[in-house]
Amino acid sequence: KQEVTQIPAALSVPEGENLVLNCSFTDSAIYNLQWFRQDPGKGLTSLLLIQSSQREQTSGRLNASLDKSSGRSTLYIAASQPGDSATYLCAAGIKAAGNKLTFGGGTRVLVKP
Amino acid sequence: NAGVTQTPKFRVLKTGQSMTLLCAQDMNHEYMYWYRQDPGMGLRLIHYSVGEGTTAKGEVPDGYNVSRLKKQNFLLGLESAAPSQTSVYFCASSLKGEQFFGPGTRLTVL
Repeated sequence: KQEVTQIPAALSVPEGENLVLNCSFTDSAIYNLQWFRQDPGKGLTSLLLIQSSQREQTSGRLNASLDKSSGRSTLYIAASQPGDSATYLCAAGIKAAGNKLTFGGGTRVLVKP
Repeated sequence: NAGVTQTPKFRVLKTGQSMTLLCAQDMNHEYMYWYRQDPGMGLRLIHYSVGEGTTAKGEVPDGYNVSRLKKQNFLLGLESAAPSQTSVYFCASSLKGEQFFGPGTRLTVL
């Protein structure tokens, strides 16, 4: 059974510092890896999707890497801003019926002005 | 493009009452999902559908039923609500493995 872990559970950084968020998974036979952002009381917003054949994806200040052999993905957010404060969730997907996702517990990020 | 919408946004039920949560998507996605999110438990899959007229069980299906009569709609039913079903419910739809989420329904069962 796939297990996804995100450590630390919470992180506080000063504005302008680069953020590094970690995600580890136990079964390397994933179909894809998706990163989400969740603001308090809101739904999940998809940030980046990395297919199993890819090593990384980039969107603006965000870059996500994937290393299936070690069971790890990392989300980098450059030059953090207070507006980046949110909970970040990673989820590992399987190719079997439904393309189901297994979610990590999330990392709650606070960027201090 | 409204994306994924959920109705209602909030609901309070008494134990034993029934209700249906509606999810709608306008992106023509084949796959749809229902999750619940609880503190300390993360997001857990309740049921999912890979197409109109099909449904399948997820990780925590007990106490819930679903129907997908139309491609754009996915309904989640609680026949006899229990306090353990107090949670935030999210619907999602998927294209080529990327899932898109609705804003959620906050349900309280007293």
